[in-house]
Amino acid sequence: DTGVSQDPRHKITKRGQNVTFRCDPISEHNRLYWYRQTLGQGPEFLTYFQNEAQLEKSRLLSDRFSAERPKGSFSTLEIQRTEQGDSAMYLCASSLLGLANYEQYFGPGTRLTVT
Amino acid sequence: TQLLEQSPQFLSIQEGENLTVYCNSSSVFSSLQWYRQEPGEGPVLLVTVVTGGEVKKLKRLTFQFGDARKDSSLHITAAQPGDTGLYLCAGPSGGGSNYKLTFGKGTLLTVNP
Repeated sequence: DTGVSQDPRHKITKRGQNVTFRCDPISEHNRLYWYRQTLGQGPEFLTYFQNEAQLEKSRLLSDRFSAERPKGSFSTLEIQRTEQGDSAMYLCASSLLGLANYEQYFGPGTRLTVT
Repeated sequence: TQLLEQSPQFLSIQEGENLTVYCNSSSVFSSLQWYRQEPGEGPVLLVTVVTGGEVKKLKRLTFQFGDARKDSSLHITAAQPGDTGLYLCAGPSGGGSNYKLTFGKGTLLTVNP
């Protein structure tokens, strides 16, 4: 399977702990996006990378959140000092710059529960 | 801010029935994408519509893009339990070179056997 993969699929953590999620995009895709989805809502944009450069961050992304894509391949999203409000599904998507119609392909997501 | 409103929010029908769900905006989108999402999984891309008035068919699913490219609809013929899921519409809204997607809240469809 050469789709987008995410690890872990589920994470339960206590408030105040740090967590890190990983996303492996489709191999030839140079754009990588992070979204967050809460119950009853559609995904909301957090940040995106073109190759290794992080080009935009949403205001949803507080300074407790950091994302990296060190070699333009996989990406990590770290949340420091987690809060209960961080509980959500974190989705990663990838696309190919120049791919017609801005199509993005999503991974299975990481479900974060902060207790 | 470009917003997408989806209706209905919830839909529960019997197997074999037909249904239509809607995605509306006051803004023009260069394209709209439809995704289906199952519980605990990521959205799966179904189709992209680009041209105003365009109609695309995917087996029993028919997608239409409004002439003014502000709205779209998804019609399912003879729904089956396997069609159950959250149907999301999304459109690029970043401007410039950021093609981040803006999503609607989705229509949660349940098809009962």
